[in-house]
Amino acid sequence: KQEVTQIPAALSVPEGENLVLNCSFTDSAIYNLQWFRQDPGKGLTSLLLIQSSQREQTSGRLNASLDKSSGRSTLYIAASQPGDSATYLCAFGGYQKVTFGIGTKLQVIP
Amino acid sequence: GAGVSQSPSNKVTEKGKDVELRCDPISGHTALYWYRQSLGQGLEFLIYFQGNSAPDKSGLPSDRFSAERTGGSVSTLTIQRTQQEDSAVYLCASRQGLEQYFGPGTRLTVT
Repeated sequence: KQEVTQIPAALSVPEGENLVLNCSFTDSAIYNLQWFRQDPGKGLTSLLLIQSSQREQTSGRLNASLDKSSGRSTLYIAASQPGDSATYLCAFGGYQKVTFGIGTKLQVIP
Repeated sequence: GAGVSQSPSNKVTEKGKDVELRCDPISGHTALYWYRQSLGQGLEFLIYFQGNSAPDKSGLPSDRFSAERTGGSVSTLTIQRTQQEDSAVYLCASRQGLEQYFGPGTRLTVT
């Protein structure tokens, strides 16, 4: 059974700081990894998707990496802004079933 | 184009009543997922549809929960005889290819 752990559970940083969110998984037989953000009371917004054959993806100030051998993924956010404040979730899929972490709640202080 | 939509956005019901939640996926998306998110918890997988069939129902928490999908499009999640522990946000997602797209969710409160 796939288990997903996200560390830290919460993070508070001053605006402008670079930060890293971590996600680990137990079953390396994955098809893809997806990072989402969730704003309070809202659904999930997809940020980045990495296929199992890839090692990283970049979108603007965001960079996500995938290391299947160590069972880890990281989401790097450069030059953080108050608008980045949200909960960030990683999800590991299978073609059918997707397993989510509980998330990291990020607060960027102006 | 339009994203995934869900209705109602909020539902308050009395314990023991039945509720029906609706999901309209992105047009053309063949895969559809239902998840539940309880307060302070991660997303809990409930059921997955490929077209109108559900190859994976393993996440449904009890036989009070059922789901169907018709015409490869709209899906409904039905909870019978609701209990207080059913209170949660129910999220729907559709997928074409690898990426999932989520709806805004239905917040269910059972009093």
